[in-house]
Amino acid sequence: KAGVTQTPRYLIKTRGQQVTLSCSPISGHRSVSWYQQTPGQGLQFLFEYFSETQRNKGNFPGRFSGRQFSNSRSEMNVSTLELGDSALYLCASSLTAGESIQYFGAGTRLSVL
Amino acid sequence: QKEVEQNSGPLSVPEGAIASLNCTYSDRGSQSFFWYRQYSGKSPELIMSIYSNGDKEDGRFTAQLNKASQYVSLLIRDSQPSDSATYLCAVTSYSGGYQKVTFGTGTKLQVIP
Repeated sequence: KAGVTQTPRYLIKTRGQQVTLSCSPISGHRSVSWYQQTPGQGLQFLFEYFSETQRNKGNFPGRFSGRQFSNSRSEMNVSTLELGDSALYLCASSLTAGESIQYFGAGTRLSVL
Repeated sequence: QKEVEQNSGPLSVPEGAIASLNCTYSDRGSQSFFWYRQYSGKSPELIMSIYSNGDKEDGRFTAQLNKASQYVSLLIRDSQPSDSATYLCAVTSYSGGYQKVTFGTGTKLQVIP
């Protein structure tokens, strides 16, 4: 069974640009959560999607948005990038919404210059 | 006060010793508790879950939960150099009608050969 797939693995952008990250969950998993990981703040929850609906949202500005498609694949978008958005963005999939046990993808390393 | 707190370390132990990793949480209503292991440059992977007070053993790993003290720990017996990683404590609780998972910032463990 394939794991969680995130693309791209690495991205370099400049301030003010926007970026879209993609996540394909484990087959049969319908919930996708996104996290931002930085050395100082650790893993911070961005949002969770289930059945194409955002179920929960963390404390991030509106520049961070996401969506989920009917095949459970999810995308995360960050607009007007800031230097502080440089981080590892992790996607995690689980069977259902609010499922505690999550399986993480390898992440997308975003560098904003 | 952070919702989930861990000592960032690094915690250094000699090979063969017991490593003790600690985590405290602030929400008394928290229901589920998890330990994830994250190797450098890799994504987190679930290694232990615990839901009720007491100890839960799995191989060389033992998770301990004390809800009255809002404290969860992970013991690693016979520590090996391959155990060197960052260990993330995760706690689930309800917020705004949704179950959410909150991660600590992680404790870096170094096992010295």
